[in-house]
Order: sequence, then structure tokens, then C-alpha cells
Amino acid sequence: DGGITQSPKYLFRKEGQNVTLSCEQNLNHDAMYWYRQDPGQGLRLIYYSQIVNDFQKGDIAEGYSVSREKKESFPLTVTSAQKNPTAFYLCASSIRDERRGTQYFGPGTRLLVL
Amino acid sequence: GQQVMQIPQYQHVQEGEDFTTYCNSSTTLSNIQWYKQRPGGHPVFLIQLVKSGEVKKQKRLTFQFGEAKKNSSLHITATQTTDVGTYFCAGHYGNKLVFGAGTILRVKS
Repeated sequence: DGGITQSPKYLFRKEGQNVTLSCEQNLNHDAMYWYRQDPGQGLRLIYYSQIVNDFQKGDIAEGYSVSREKKESFPLTVTSAQKNPTAFYLCASSIRDERRGTQYFGPGTRLLVL
Repeated sequence: GQQVMQIPQYQHVQEGEDFTTYCNSSTTLSNIQWYKQRPGGHPVFLIQLVKSGEVKKQKRLTFQFGEAKKNSSLHITATQTTDVGTYFCAGHYGNKLVFGAGTILRVKS
């Protein structure tokens, strides 16, 4: 089956700890994205990558880091600098078409701070 | 920066009633997309509108794109309990996709 997988489904973070959220796609998409969703709110873009070994900051990149070493993978690290990390994190991918780019979302990871 | 305003934030309807959510942008959009997120789920693409004044239908769902390409609407006729969820519009500004805050739809049976 083609699609996007995210793991884990739930993740708990202790104060001062960095955690990494996994995102893998087998859709052969060039572009990948990370969004944060807070209760009752829309999706806010954290980072995006249009091609391997390249990525750009989104609207709320502070406290987060990413890498794009492989086309299929776009992991997100939530660092200790992110003071309010509790949220639902969604990864998405799309073809690299700047005018269309329908986004396909993974099932998400819920991050909770202990 | 670019913003897509979506209203209402929340709507609770009786099963069988109609539902409409609206999106507005202060600047012209390249296109607009609509997504649905079921409770506890992830957003799923519904449709994309590209042309000025475009209207598309998917069974009981009707999507419109304004003549100026600055606004859009999603109308559901005779809602069913399966329609519950959050409906997001997302506007393309060049190569950037900006999501509205979403409209939460609840349906009473």
C-alpha cells in the first residue's frame, strides 16, 4: 500500500528532553511537510522540504529541527527549546508542483509533556 | 503574511439540515483546496478549485471558488452523521499552502 506512516502514535517527553518524530512515505513524492495542530485550531507549518538535502522554515520553526537525507524520510526533532510542545503533529507529502501540490497526510503523532 | 480566514468556527446541525463553511483571503489565490478531518483522524484531501467562479460537486457537497479567486465555500446538503468532522480550506499563494482554522461540524441525529 502506498502512503505515509508516522511513528509513534503517542509520545511522551520529559522536561529538557529532545524527541524525534518519524515520517516515512512511499508515494515517491519530492515534497514533505511538518505541521502542528493544537486543539480547535488549524494547521501551522513547522518545516518543509521540496527536495532531498534541502529544507526551509515554516511559520513556527523555533524549537524544532529536521533533516532530509532520503527522499522517503523527513524526521522532526522537538528540542528542549520548544517550551510548549504538547500538540498533534502531522506529516504530509506532495508532488513538487508549485501550483497544485495536493497534500497527503500521515496519521499523526500526539506529543505530551510529562 | 498570507492568511485564510474561515467561518464559522463551529456549527451544530440537526441531521438533514444544510451546512456551509466559508473561506476568505485578502489576496488572490492560485487555487484553493478543501480537506476533511474526522475526529481523531488526519486531514484528507477532498477537492481543488483552480478557475475563477468554478463550481464542483461531490454527491451532497458543493464547492465554489469566487470570481476574484479570494473566497470559497463548501456547502453540504442534507447533512448525515457521517459528515461530522472538521473541514479545512487551504489556499495556495504561489508555492505556499496556507490552511484556514477549520470549521467543526457536529450533526445531531
